Order: sequence, then structure tokens, then C-alpha cells
Amino acid sequence: GAGVSQSPSNKVTEKGKDVELRCDPISGHTALYWYRQSLGQGLEFLIYFQGNSAPDKSGLPSDRFSAERTGGSVSTLTIQRTQQEDSAVYLCASSLRRDTGELFFGEGSRLTVL
Amino acid sequence: AQKVTQAQTEISVVEKEDVTLDCVYETRDTTYYLFWYKQPPSGELVFLIRRNSFDEQNEISGRYSWNFQKSTSSFNFTITASQVVDSAVYFCALSGASWGKFQFGAGTQVVVTP
Repeated sequence: GAGVSQSPSNKVTEKGKDVELRCDPISGHTALYWYRQSLGQGLEFLIYFQGNSAPDKSGLPSDRFSAERTGGSVSTLTIQRTQQEDSAVYLCASSLRRDTGELFFGEGSRLTVL
Repeated sequence: AQKVTQAQTEISVVEKEDVTLDCVYETRDTTYYLFWYKQPPSGELVFLIRRNSFDEQNEISGRYSWNFQKSTSSFNFTITASQVVDSAVYFCALSGASWGKFQFGAGTQVVVTP
């Protein structure tokens, strides 16, 4: 597709279960970002991938959160042992180069932890 | 530490009125980048503008204009002659010299009524 694709668009899970959220960036975009948007809140940085460099994981809130990017393209954000406070919209974005600010965002994955 | 403050939570205007959104930032970096993003009801964030710290020239794009003032650490955004389609949440964001970790403000909800 032409834009950033995220799946699933909606995920309801029970507390304690693991979830995986997928992001397919725009083809050719070397930078990929994950953000979290809680209800009525701004965007919270989670992790940033740039090409083959080590990712900036400084925003991951706990060791239950991890992310990988395979082949410099698709990324998966994994949340283990989900908690109710993990409920949020998880947004993925990509950009063509490292130094451009034009992030192209996906529509997000809405996670609800019961 | 970097911080972006959007003090206005919500602004309601009648169509054709002008609306100004405030953004105040904090950073210790001498080189940094400021952005505005729009999040319409559909949810997908849309890039509006990027401004480099070394370029204080104001910019106008159609009905949109931006006022960057380093002296007051502000990057305000004005919509002239607002339209119903301008109804959205607008986010101001900052990226310092360590690229990738964008700091977003909490957002300002703009409601334009006919």
C-alpha cells in the first residue's frame, strides 16, 4: 500500500496475555518509530529504528515491552503480560530519511486490556 | 530534558474566525527542530510543518501561518479564516540534536462550528 499499515486495528485482550502489534512502513523509508497515545494524552515516544543502527529504546516503559524490525522493513511491537495501563493506541510512523521531520503515521492499533 | 507545552486544551471558534495555537518548548540543544501535526477525527496524524532552530523566518502556507520566536521559545500556529474541516487535534513537537525521539505536546483540540 501507499501508506503506513498497522495491524490489528483493534485488539482486546485479557490482563496477563501477550500481544503483538505489527507495522508495515512505507517502502523505502529507513526510519521507523513507535509511539503510544493514551486517551486524551499526547504522544509518548517508545522506540526508534534507523536503518541497521541499534534502535533507540529509551522510551520503552518497562521490560515487558520489546520491538524488532526485520530486514529493515516490517516492525513488531510486543507487550508481554499486558496490564490495564497498557491500554492505548499504538502508533507507528516512518520517514524517508533520518533527518526529515515528515513522519508518515499509520492509523494505529487500539489496544484494550481488560 | 526536552519539553513541549501546549497550554490550550481546547479552542472553540465559529467558522471564519482566526485561531492561534500556542506552543512553548524547552531544550538544551542548540540545534533542534520543531513541528506541527494535525490529527483529524479519523485519527491519522498529518505533518504540517518543520522548522529548524537556525531558521527563524516565519512561514505562511495558505490559511496556515507559523510564528517561531527563539527569544521566547515559542512556535505558534495560526489558522486564518477557520473552516469546519480544520476541526482536529493539533500537536506541536520537538526533536533535538539526537534525532528520532520526538517530544510531542499534549495537543490542542480545535472545534470549528458553522
